[in-house]
Amino acid sequence: NAGVTQTPKFQVLKTGQSMTLQCAQDMNHNSMYWYRQDPGMGLRLIYYSASEGTTDKGEVPNGYNVSRLNKREFSLRLESAAPSQTSVYFCASRRYGGREGGTDTQYFGPGTRLTVL
Amino acid sequence: ILNVEQSPQSLHVQEGDSTNFTCSFPSSNFYALHWYRWETAKSPEALFVMTLNGDEKKKGRISATLNTKEGYSYLYIKGSQPEDSATYLCASIQGAQKLVFGQGTRLTINP
Repeated sequence: NAGVTQTPKFQVLKTGQSMTLQCAQDMNHNSMYWYRQDPGMGLRLIYYSASEGTTDKGEVPNGYNVSRLNKREFSLRLESAAPSQTSVYFCASRRYGGREGGTDTQYFGPGTRLTVL
Repeated sequence: ILNVEQSPQSLHVQEGDSTNFTCSFPSSNFYALHWYRWETAKSPEALFVMTLNGDEKKKGRISATLNTKEGYSYLYIKGSQPEDSATYLCASIQGAQKLVFGQGTRLTINP
């Protein structure tokens, strides 16, 4: 049981290059999320997927696209990278047992540190 | 997206002392509040999930309370230890799916 895995762990891009960050979870969770973490900003939601086949924008979706390939995998794509997208990216999946179930928990991957030059 | 605020942003506490910090969130359309503990170079880990006004949760020396009517939650650490040093994040869930995080409180325990 690996939990949430992310690849790559580190990446350096030049402005204008594209890349896809991969995320997979083996916990059979319906919901998956992409966040970015910048100094002094906490975690900001980029996109989320409440279930297989659906995706929705979060706080900071501009410059990103996502694909929920199946229940396990949720990828984040940068079509034309910009220096402002230099950040640490976290993927998370969520066990959701209902509001009163007390089992609503997010599990985070190890993060991808991206630098755009 | 409505803001979630945490205070203070950073805190230095002597080992053995108790401490607490605050998370403020929009009280309208409240769904749930999460607390996470985030150690340097690791990923955030869930501490508490709180849904009902007046909720109190406890895990060892760490506890949290929730006031949904006024939109705040307190996290308490009793008898701080060096291993408690971390950033503590709260997140308000909006619309059942969107988690909006505060900027975190960075706690440092001085031996």
